[in-house]
Amino acid sequence: ETGVTQTPRHLVMGMTNKKSLKCEQHLGHNAMYWYKQSAKKPLELMFVYSLEERVENNSVPSRFSPECPNSSHLFLHLHTLQPEDSALYLCASSQETPRGVYNSPLHFGNGTRLTVT
Amino acid sequence: DQQVKQNSPSLSVQEGRISILNCDYTNSMFDYFLWYKKYPAEGPTFLISISSIKDKNEDGRFTVFLNKSAKHLSLHIVPSQPGDSAVYFCAANTNAGKSTFGDGTTLTVKP
Repeated sequence: ETGVTQTPRHLVMGMTNKKSLKCEQHLGHNAMYWYKQSAKKPLELMFVYSLEERVENNSVPSRFSPECPNSSHLFLHLHTLQPEDSALYLCASSQETPRGVYNSPLHFGNGTRLTVT
Repeated sequence: DQQVKQNSPSLSVQEGRISILNCDYTNSMFDYFLWYKKYPAEGPTFLISISSIKDKNEDGRFTVFLNKSAKHLSLHIVPSQPGDSAVYFCAANTNAGKSTFGDGTTLTVKP
């Protein structure tokens, strides 16, 4: 399997549920990201992991909890979500340059469409 | 305050003609710009990029132009093909990384 794979593709959960989104990249990249795309809004960066260390947390509520056990896998653990958290959640990876900046293009998965009821 | 704006939500073009997608930004610290294409039910895919030290970058049918003084970039697709119909996002990076995305423009290329 190649590229960036996200599972599940669709998820419906109640506000009291706990679920996890999974992302796996087969590109040998050293940085992974979670983005959120809500209707009629631009892509919003949630978290960045570089070399398995979280380097960015964009003021995301604590009901979203990321985990990066190794450079190929990224999880987003969800608990007590709100209906306004319904969105498309996209995982991406890239190869961080020696300068430590993220000018390499992002490689996205196909996303998880999350609906919170 | 949205730092990257794509003011045209949609664009319709005849096959074979030129498609021009526009993007404006406000942050003068942005120094690297990228365009992504997104088909329904798929994630965005990288299309073309440009560094702020250049004003043009070309890759086949796709050319990106950067006007730093106007804080404006555009993507030209010529000739346009029906398979180019998709949502196009522009993104801008500062030297600290982290892409800031525009809202996207839906391009429809009619046969």
